[in-house]
Amino acid sequence: GAGVSQSPSNKVTEKGKDVELRCDPISGHTALYWYRQSLGQGLEFLIYFQGNSAPDKSGLPSDRFSAERTGGSVSTLTIQRTQQEDSAVYLCASSLALLGQSFAGANVLTFGAGSRLTVL
Amino acid sequence: AQKVTQAQTEISVVEKEDVTLDCVYETRDTTYYLFWYKQPPSGELVFLIRRNSFDEQNEISGRYSWNFQKSTSSFNFTITASQVVDSAVYFCALSEPGKGAQKLVFGQGTRLTINP
Repeated sequence: GAGVSQSPSNKVTEKGKDVELRCDPISGHTALYWYRQSLGQGLEFLIYFQGNSAPDKSGLPSDRFSAERTGGSVSTLTIQRTQQEDSAVYLCASSLALLGQSFAGANVLTFGAGSRLTVL
Repeated sequence: AQKVTQAQTEISVVEKEDVTLDCVYETRDTTYYLFWYKQPPSGELVFLIRRNSFDEQNEISGRYSWNFQKSTSSFNFTITASQVVDSAVYFCALSEPGKGAQKLVFGQGTRLTINP
């Protein structure tokens, strides 16, 4: 697609329920990132995918959080047994990680509009 | 450890004023990249600039300019003759190479309001 698409744009759920957030990156972008933005806070890194593998999942806050990516494209972030502190905007980004580029951190990330999660 | 500090939480100015957003970073590496992103009310972060640690030349793009000072670990952003459309949250970010270091570390952001 032309940009990074995220769905749903808004999700309200009850405490204890599971939620799934979807990210459809830009076609051809091999790197995919999930960030979390809590109210009034900066962006907190959650997980990074290169293709279908996740070399860095150091930012996942607990084992209730998991993410997968299939076909080197769409990614799903799953939060199990949601808690009120999970309420935030979940942002997905993708980038073109060039083959042979030793420092993918130089890549410019293209962000989606985010999924706003509210846990009651 | 990597850290980015944007000390100004909120700034409010009148249209046409110049405004500078401060960014101070911490890193142990000699090779790193710095970024600025803009987050308008729509929520989607927009890339503004990327600068590598070996290029200290200041950059100007229209009304936007960036001042990179390695001696003070700062990468400040100035908007000249501000406009209402510049109202947004601005994030400074740092990325550095290394095992597993494929992520950007963001500052807390500065909410800029330009009043007509």
